[in-house]
Amino acid sequence: AQSVTQLGSHVSVSEGALVLLRCNYSSSVPPYLFWYVQYPNQGLQLLLKYTSAATLVKGINGFEAEFKKSETSFHLTKPSAHMSDAAEYFCAVNPNSGYSTLTFGKGTMLLVSP
Amino acid sequence: DADVTQTPRNRITKTGKRIMLECSQTKGHDRMYWYRQDPGLGLRLIYYSFDVKDINKGEISDGYSVSRQAQAKFSLSLESAIPNQTALYFCATSEAPGTVNTGELFFGEGSRLTVL
Repeated sequence: AQSVTQLGSHVSVSEGALVLLRCNYSSSVPPYLFWYVQYPNQGLQLLLKYTSAATLVKGINGFEAEFKKSETSFHLTKPSAHMSDAAEYFCAVNPNSGYSTLTFGKGTMLLVSP
Repeated sequence: DADVTQTPRNRITKTGKRIMLECSQTKGHDRMYWYRQDPGLGLRLIYYSFDVKDINKGEISDGYSVSRQAQAKFSLSLESAIPNQTALYFCATSEAPGTVNTGELFFGEGSRLTVL
């Protein structure tokens, strides 16, 4: 069975500072990995995904994530935070198996202060 | 128009009432899902369906039932609602993961249910 651990339910940064949201996963087979973002009062939208094509994945709004197999991690980063980045971020894993479903982490709320 | 549409978007009901949340999609995906979101708990899978004739329980199916009326429609029912079913409910769709598809989920806007 797969699982996802997101370290830190809340992360606070100042505008312009580096954003780092941590995600570790466990999976019995090489997985697909995802980061979703949820803005207040909205549904979830895909930020980026790892499909084994490249270990460094670039997403929307300047976010990127690096797949590190040895560390079973898929941390999300952004060099410079904007106020508009304030949202909840979810990491998810889907083993590359025909009958699998996505498993989500518990989410990290990103707070951006001026 | 949204690819995944949920109705109602907001609903307040009383304990013991039967509630149905509906989901329809225009993405042509075979797979549909119902998730529940609670603060601090992330998204938890209630039920999922890989095609019209395939229904599966997720990790928190107790107190819920579903119906897959067509490829494009997947409904979630609470037969007798209770207060701890107050939550934000999401419908999602996907293709099957494989060499081309990743099983990425496409979400509706959510249905906020309050049970008094």
